[in-house]
Amino acid sequence: GENVEQHPSTLSVQEGDSAVIKCTYSDSASNYFPWYKQELGKGPQLIIDIRSNVGEKKDQRIAVTLNKTAKHFSLHITETQPEDSAVYFCAASDHDYKLSFGAGTTVTVRA
Amino acid sequence: EADIYQTPRYLVIGTGKKITLECSQTMGHDKMYWYQQDPGMELHLIHYSYGVNSTEKGDLSSESTVSRIRTEHFPLTLESARPSHTSQYLCASSTSGANVLTFGAGSRLTVL
Repeated sequence: GENVEQHPSTLSVQEGDSAVIKCTYSDSASNYFPWYKQELGKGPQLIIDIRSNVGEKKDQRIAVTLNKTAKHFSLHITETQPEDSAVYFCAASDHDYKLSFGAGTTVTVRA
Repeated sequence: EADIYQTPRYLVIGTGKKITLECSQTMGHDKMYWYQQDPGMELHLIHYSYGVNSTEKGDLSSESTVSRIRTEHFPLTLESARPSHTSQYLCASSTSGANVLTFGAGSRLTVL
């Protein structure tokens, strides 16, 4: 099955700086890569996703890049704000649409 | 607004008790899932369903069972809870042909 590795496990940034989270996956057949944000006491919520026919996607302050050859994808958050503090999960989808998740990155934005 | 609801949010029970975690969604999604999430660890798929009367075990072995009698309802049952079942259980749903998951807020189970 698919194996997704996520780094770093924790990330502390100064407000206004950028944050980058990286993930690698093992199954070359995976073609869908979402990112979820989980705030304290809530379930994960989709914030951005990318499919294998696209190399980069942006939505305001967040962007995701995908390198299919190297089998890795990254989440970039620019101009971080306190409300960006949360746990972020990457995931990859195999051929039967089930998602495999990374272990999560706890992001703390320091005021 | 939450379109997928989980109850109870928190449950503390003694060893050997039977428990059912409820999950309901109002979006008409065909696919529903149960994930187990321990602190600092990834979400592990324990059960999924692609429609009424369809249930499958996920990647992580679990002693729990599920049923899907109605499209909107996907309860999870533990016949005899043990301390090793202490965890957060997340329910999710998605439409057919898509893998964009909508998660509930979770049920945090503690077995003493």
